[in-house]
Amino acid sequence: GQNIDQPTEMTATEGAIVQINCTYQTSGFNGLFWYQQHAGEAPTFLSYNVLDGLEEKGRFSSFLSRSKGYSYLLLKELQMKDSASYLCAVRDSAGNNRKLIWGLGTSLAVNP
Amino acid sequence: NAGVTQTPKFRVLKTGQSMTLLCAQDMNHEYMYWYRQDPGMGLRLIHYSVGEGTTAKGEVPDGYNVSRLKKQNFLLGLESAAPSQTSVYFCASSPGQDLAKNIQYFGAGTRLSVL
Repeated sequence: GQNIDQPTEMTATEGAIVQINCTYQTSGFNGLFWYQQHAGEAPTFLSYNVLDGLEEKGRFSSFLSRSKGYSYLLLKELQMKDSASYLCAVRDSAGNNRKLIWGLGTSLAVNP
Repeated sequence: NAGVTQTPKFRVLKTGQSMTLLCAQDMNHEYMYWYRQDPGMGLRLIHYSVGEGTTAKGEVPDGYNVSRLKKQNFLLGLESAAPSQTSVYFCASSPGQDLAKNIQYFGAGTRLSVL
């Protein structure tokens, strides 16, 4: 079956580094996306990976290992505004690859 | 640039009533999607469209209908609302199928309560 696992909640301190993990089991793979969603707001795109390795975008980096079905989102120099839910989504290449399979999200609380 | 606009933002319905949620995008995107988001369930795809005049079923299509008569608009209809349809509804659009073009841009959401 199709499954994406993320920790439900995480807590970190302002200025620190936090890593949010995502593991997936899908019938195919054609890219992994990370989105940020603040409470009461819409998800917004952060990054995507299609090849193994690290993609860096400012304070945020995302890593992918296709052989392990594993990704992580790394947030550096945490700020209070980074308190949000982080959603991992996989594009399944089997059949119709226009759809994303979404994880339930990791709620990150950044404390002073 | 407005991006993806959803109307209304909030709505309360009685069981059995009907309504239409409107999604409009001004980015000339080919693909549009309707999701619902419920606590503990994550984002679930209701219906989607890969172009003007086309629609397809997603993960949870029952009780909903959609239409894409114009490229910029994607309508979600509830013919006979049920309490189980109480949720936050998000519309999204993406430029195309290529990975880089498959980034989805979301509207602000519609919070629907069915009593």
